Amino acid sequence: DAKTTQPPSMDCAEGRAANLPCNHSTISGNEYVYWYRQIHSQGPQYIIHGLKNNETNEMASLIITEDRKSSTLILPHATLRDTAVYYCIVRVANQGGKLIFGQGTELSVKP
Amino acid sequence: DTEVTQTPKHLVMGMTNKKSLKCEQHMGHRAMYWYKQKAKKPPELMFVYSYEKLSINESVPSRFSPECPNSSLLNLHLHALQPEDSALYLCASSQGWDLNQPQHFGDGTRLSIL
Repeated sequence: DAKTTQPPSMDCAEGRAANLPCNHSTISGNEYVYWYRQIHSQGPQYIIHGLKNNETNEMASLIITEDRKSSTLILPHATLRDTAVYYCIVRVANQGGKLIFGQGTELSVKP
Repeated sequence: DTEVTQTPKHLVMGMTNKKSLKCEQHMGHRAMYWYKQKAKKPPELMFVYSYEKLSINESVPSRFSPECPNSSLLNLHLHALQPEDSALYLCASSQGWDLNQPQHFGDGTRLSIL
């Protein structure tokens, strides 16, 4: 079973920051938080991942709370092309590196 | 743009047909994965290959038969499928099982069983 909980849907205005929350209260010390997104009719696209520290790349920022029980993905300036389903995944050790997807958050970016 | 290439993009087959899905990556990755995604559902893992050997089979029916002929290729052989097997089949690869190495996905093969 997925170890994450996300809101089923969110809206964001174009040009504004999109903040997508994720709860993972049972995460273990060596497990990473991964974010992927899936645009309709495409495969999941890797966005970012982290263990303890906040991370930033060209696509997004990942903020992980100090107790590691929750995290937030931030898209700093959302565009219409960011409309997608966003999956927060805790990657579990000793299971072949597999990704166990939850239901995700459907983000709609509106003009 | 994806660096994992899946062919064909679409496949329609009858329940008595035999067909194969193909996946190719040239990133030097040594772990490869098959996932199945039903409409409006998240992807679910089917198989994991590590160094060309099958490492994990998530209790997938034998009508799905994976094959890894070399480190760049992953096949999924299909035989006697059922209508409920209609889905998007996704391939992914990663450098290894290291939790710090992301998986990269292809855009999938959309399979329809008549």
